[in-house]
Amino acid sequence: DQQVKQNSPSLSVQEGRISILNCDYTNSMFDYFLWYKKYPAEGPTFLISISSIKDKNEDGRFTVFLNKSAKHLSLHIVPSQPGDSAVYFCAASGSGSARQLTFGSGTQLTVLP
Amino acid sequence: ETGVTQSPTHLIKTRGQQVTLRCSSQSGHNTVSWYQQALGQGPQFIFQYYREEENGRGNFPPRFSGLQFPNYSSELNVNALELDDSALYLCASSLGGLDYTDTQYFGPGTRLTVL
Repeated sequence: DQQVKQNSPSLSVQEGRISILNCDYTNSMFDYFLWYKKYPAEGPTFLISISSIKDKNEDGRFTVFLNKSAKHLSLHIVPSQPGDSAVYFCAASGSGSARQLTFGSGTQLTVLP
Repeated sequence: ETGVTQSPTHLIKTRGQQVTLRCSSQSGHNTVSWYQQALGQGPQFIFQYYREEENGRGNFPPRFSGLQFPNYSSELNVNALELDDSALYLCASSLGGLDYTDTQYFGPGTRLTVL
């Protein structure tokens, strides 16, 4: 039972345009959400996060939107750059001492020059 | 400030053997989590250590065990290796405590191949 789902395995976008990556979750106990970017042969790199008390968080070119009623979050990258090409993972954590991260299966973003 | 480091980078073992993977946390972090990432999937939580005590465990059998040392470095031990244990093993460190915004920072991983 996948609690965090990224239904698009891949996405291609033209350089300079907007990239929108989507993520759905099923566990109502999740209260903190993160996006990580992963290049081949490297560990995931933290990008941006959002808590359940907010519906939007911005950091430079990256914006994360959270729709709690729909249990959906999205990552917007504007403008997209070729260096953004990587696998993007959505992750969620809930209350509890461990605050373990539950990851989606990832979306491969390719930004075309 | 140094980031999270892991050793070795790659490892090849045979079925039934035992393996130890190592992780050094980011400076100032007292919590370490281990994840297994199979090919084409997202990382899966194995367990977490906070101040040298196991602080949570995912759905992994007891042959996966760990240690955290006083300097907050950590080991992941896997006994009786199975072919399905072939994966990228990721270590992540964080500040720990009760702050729900505690972000985990990952190392580059150890690629384990079991033949």
